[in-house]
Amino acid sequence: AQSVTQLDSHVSVSEGTPVLLRCNYSSSYSPSLFWYVQHPNKGLQLLLKYTSAATLVKGINGFEAEFKKSETSFHLTKPSAHMSDAAEYFCVVSEVDTGRRALTFGSGTRLQVQP
Amino acid sequence: DTAVSQTPKYLVTQMGNDKSIKCEQNLGHDTMYWYKQDSKKFLKIMFSYNNKELIINETVPNRFSPKSPDKAHLNLHINSLELGDSAVYFCASSPIDGLNSPLHFGNGTRLTVT
Repeated sequence: AQSVTQLDSHVSVSEGTPVLLRCNYSSSYSPSLFWYVQHPNKGLQLLLKYTSAATLVKGINGFEAEFKKSETSFHLTKPSAHMSDAAEYFCVVSEVDTGRRALTFGSGTRLQVQP
Repeated sequence: DTAVSQTPKYLVTQMGNDKSIKCEQNLGHDTMYWYKQDSKKFLKIMFSYNNKELIINETVPNRFSPKSPDKAHLNLHINSLELGDSAVYFCASSPIDGLNSPLHFGNGTRLTVT
């Protein structure tokens, strides 16, 4: 069975400083991993995905994530936060379970960006 | 050019009523989903359809009934609404229900049952 743990429910940074949102997963097989962002009153939008091609994945809006199998982590980073980055972020693991794809969502991390 | 659209955006109703939420995608995707997001932002899949055929039906009360008239539409009908049904319901689609296939979400329907 798979699971996802987002280690911080809330992260606050100042505009222009780096962002780190942490995600750990457990999976029986080689999973695919995603990060989604949800702005207020909006649906989730895909930021990036890992599919075993490269461990460092670049996404939209300057975000990137590194897959570390030894640490079972898939942390999301951005060098410099922008006010528009304030949103809820979800780490998601995708695995084949009993013959079909199963998606498990993390509990979310709310990113607050201070001016 | 909305990709996944769902209506209504807000739905306020009383306990015991029956209501429907509609979803349409213009992406040409074969698979559509309904997710429920609770007040703590936790997302849980309810149903998925592949080309009008039900492929996932999680442990959801049978008061919830999805209907897919064609592969571009997946509607959700809820009978005898209860207070605990209050949540945000998201429709989503993907090209296939594959391991690497990302989901495209609608903007959600906030259901409030009073």
